[in-house]
Order: sequence, then structure tokens, then C-alpha cells
Amino acid sequence: ETVLTQSPGTLSLSPGERATLSCRASQSVSSSYLAWYQQKPGQAPRLLIYGASSRATGIPDRFSGSGSGTDFTLIISRLEPEDFAVYYCQQYGGSPLFGGGTKVEIK
Amino acid sequence: QVQLVQSAAEVKKPGASVKVSCKASGFTFTDYGINWVRQAPGQGLEWMGWISAYTGNTNYAQKLQGRVTMTTDTSASTAYMELRSLRSDDTAVYYCATSKWYGLLEYWGQGALVSVSS
Repeated sequence: ETVLTQSPGTLSLSPGERATLSCRASQSVSSSYLAWYQQKPGQAPRLLIYGASSRATGIPDRFSGSGSGTDFTLIISRLEPEDFAVYYCQQYGGSPLFGGGTKVEIK
Repeated sequence: QVQLVQSAAEVKKPGASVKVSCKASGFTFTDYGINWVRQAPGQGLEWMGWISAYTGNTNYAQKLQGRVTMTTDTSASTAYMELRSLRSDDTAVYYCATSKWYGLLEYWGQGALVSVSS
């Protein structure tokens, strides 16, 4: 069974800084069926990225995804105050599952 | 606009069952699948399963097989998730979410808290 490991667990940054989040799969993710979600406290998650690198509708271009196989990255180029949240990667397609999440907090 | 409105919070005793509803609007219900995802307090996300609103076909997470049933009422554009033999570790917020591509969660409901306690 595939396991998605996200790192770091917590990222402490200031507004305007660049955030780099990692998601590593224990087995290759087929056809780059890898998505990223953002979740703020008390809210449902929101789809940011699908297909490893395609932005969902309405997502600002400061969010970008990359990677293939077992290594994937979400980059937030310049953090806005509303970007401080928890981010989850997810494999979809075959057996959907989530990574453990990375919390991006204000330094 | 796409909207998924879930039923209210529930408190259940261990061993009981719960049925959470998810009413859809703003899109053609049968064009999508409906996924269910849960989140225990302070924890991450767990995918529970999927149902095709068109065919009624289902696929459940292995750990929930035998305890969960997902159904839809296409005339009411509503999906349901029933979980039986509740345990304390089933305490969580339960979300429904649409998917055009299997397991890709595009639009989410607001969540429904289910608390299991004696």
C-alpha cells in the first residue's frame, strides 16, 4: 500500500517569503494523479492543484506544483496572509489517500 | 454555483449507526461521483469511499468495508453515508466532495461533526 509522506511537518515563514512543500510517495503515483489541497481552521479543504501541476479554477498563480513518479512539490512563490494554513497532498485515481499534511505558520 | 450542503452535527452512542446527508445543487448531480472524507479532531484527512451518482457503483476504503454504505437519491440530488457499529475513534468531521475524476475532490460540503460517546 502506498504511503504519502509530507515534509516538513511545520513550516514557519513570514509573509512575502517562498514556501516549498514536499510530498514523497512510497510507490510511483500513476499518471501524476497527485493533488494538493489547502485547509484553514474550521473550513473544508480546497483543491489547489491536480495532475501534479495544473491549478484548479480560481487558484492564484503564486501556487505551483511540480514533480512526477514519487517526488512532488508545492511552491507558494510569495506568501500572502491568507496562505497560512495546512496543506495536504493526495493520490487520486486508484486508491485515494492523503499525506499527513504540512502546516504553514506565520513566523 | 456548485453547493454541497450537509446535515447537522450528531451525537451517537458506541454501537449505534449514523447517516449523514449531502444535498447538491448548481450542477448535474449524475455527472459526478461523490466521495466521503473524514477528519478526526486535530488529525489529517481520511478518504472513506466513493459512489457514482450515475450508476450507484461504490468503492469503499478497505478499513471501513462492512461498516459503511454510500447511497444516492438522484431525484433529490442527495448523497448519503451510513456508518454502523460506531466506535469512539469514529468521532470526526465527515465531508462529502464531488469528483469528475475518481478520487479528485473538486467541491466540498461544509462538513458534519459526528461525536461518538457513551
